Formats: sequence, structure tokens, C-alpha cells
Amino acid sequence: QVQLQESGPGLVKPSQTLSLTCTVSGGSISNSKDYWTWIRQPAGKKLEWIGRVFASGSTKYSPSLKRRVTMSIDTSKNEFSLKMTSMTAADTGIYYCARLPSVILGVPVYYFDVWGRGTLVTVSS
Amino acid sequence: YVLTQPPSVSVAPGKTATITCGGTNIGDKGVHWYQQKPGQAPLLVIYLNDDRPSGIPERFSGSNSGNTATLTIARVEAGDEADYYCQVWDKSDEQVVFGGGTKLTAL
Repeated sequence: QVQLQESGPGLVKPSQTLSLTCTVSGGSISNSKDYWTWIRQPAGKKLEWIGRVFASGSTKYSPSLKRRVTMSIDTSKNEFSLKMTSMTAADTGIYYCARLPSVILGVPVYYFDVWGRGTLVTVSS
Repeated sequence: YVLTQPPSVSVAPGKTATITCGGTNIGDKGVHWYQQKPGQAPLLVIYLNDDRPSGIPERFSGSNSGNTATLTIARVEAGDEADYYCQVWDKSDEQVVFGGGTKLTAL
């Protein structure tokens, strides 16, 4: 079955840019019905949706983060990526990648059915 | 779009837990529920209001009407202790929305 794995630096300095990659195995990232997403969770806090990228490269970001976020997709490598600029301590937390199918058997769904294990990102000098 | 959950719910083992998720006309949307245990990624337990993924016990059920969606866990076990999040897709903005999460404690 499809599995996701996040990778990237666990420590980022304040004001620097975070770069994370999510590698998809067991299935194709080019499926026309799936969105590929990033979600984060500060310690002890709620889940926060960061945004999504489609196989075509089209993106949509959370309004609160869109000025700092860029997502991209590489179908040849079966992976997608997140860049977040101007990192601060408030951005410290677990970052997850997840699959968000849009339609299954003709029915609109939009739930996260596969998650990565998450990667801890700490912003500190 | 805002989803409102109670911060915590406590229930005795063997009893039924009810976790609510409030939102304006949420009954018009498909609501999904996730269980998150410490140190783990969230796990889908209910999708599209009342469907269970394979492997999720029948003790987990959901409903959605009006301004409230509900996750019900029958015969609560110690292993059900976790944070539970509701989630919808706001198609007007093409945004994912999560509730604030509810911590379930089996007393």
C-alpha cells in the first residue's frame, strides 16, 4: 500500500528557510484524483493544514501561511516538497505529509487516508 | 470556516463517549474524524460522517446533522484514550479545516 516518508533537517535557525521532502512509495504521485498535502502540529497543539499540491503542480495554501510557503512536486521522483521562509520559534513542531483523495468512485471525499510518520522541526539558534 | 470541539471528554471504561464538532450548517458537509495517540500520526476512524475504514472497530460511529457532527465510541476501553480531531473540506475556499481536538480520558 501507499506509504509516505518525510525527510529534511530537524533544526532550522530563526529567519532561515525550512525545506522538507515527502517521498511516496507503493503508488504513483501522478494519480489525478489525489492531493498531496503538508500538515503541522506544534507541541501540545492542534493540527494545522499548511497546503496542498496536485500532480499538475497546482497549489493551494492556508491563508495564514501562504506568504511564506511554496510547495512543489516531482513526479519523476515520486516526491513532493515544502519550503517555508522566515522561520521562527512559533514554527517549531511536527510536520506531516499526507494524501488527500478528492474523489473515490465518483464520490467527493477529501479526507486524509495516508499519513507519514511526521518529522520534528525545531527552530533555534 | 470554524469547527468547535470540547477540549476534553472523560468517561468510565465500558461506557459510551460522545465527542461533538460544531460548525455552521456542518450537516451539509462531509465530516471526518481522526484519532491521535501520543507520538503517533493521526489515524482516520470515521469518514464521510458515518463510514468506518477497514480495521476500525464497530464501537466507533459517527453522525452529522444541522450544526453538529458527533463521534460516538461505545464500550470505551483504555486503549481509546487519545486526542480526536474532526475535519471538513471547505469547498468555497478549497481549504482543509480541522477542529481544535478533544482529549478523551477513560477514568
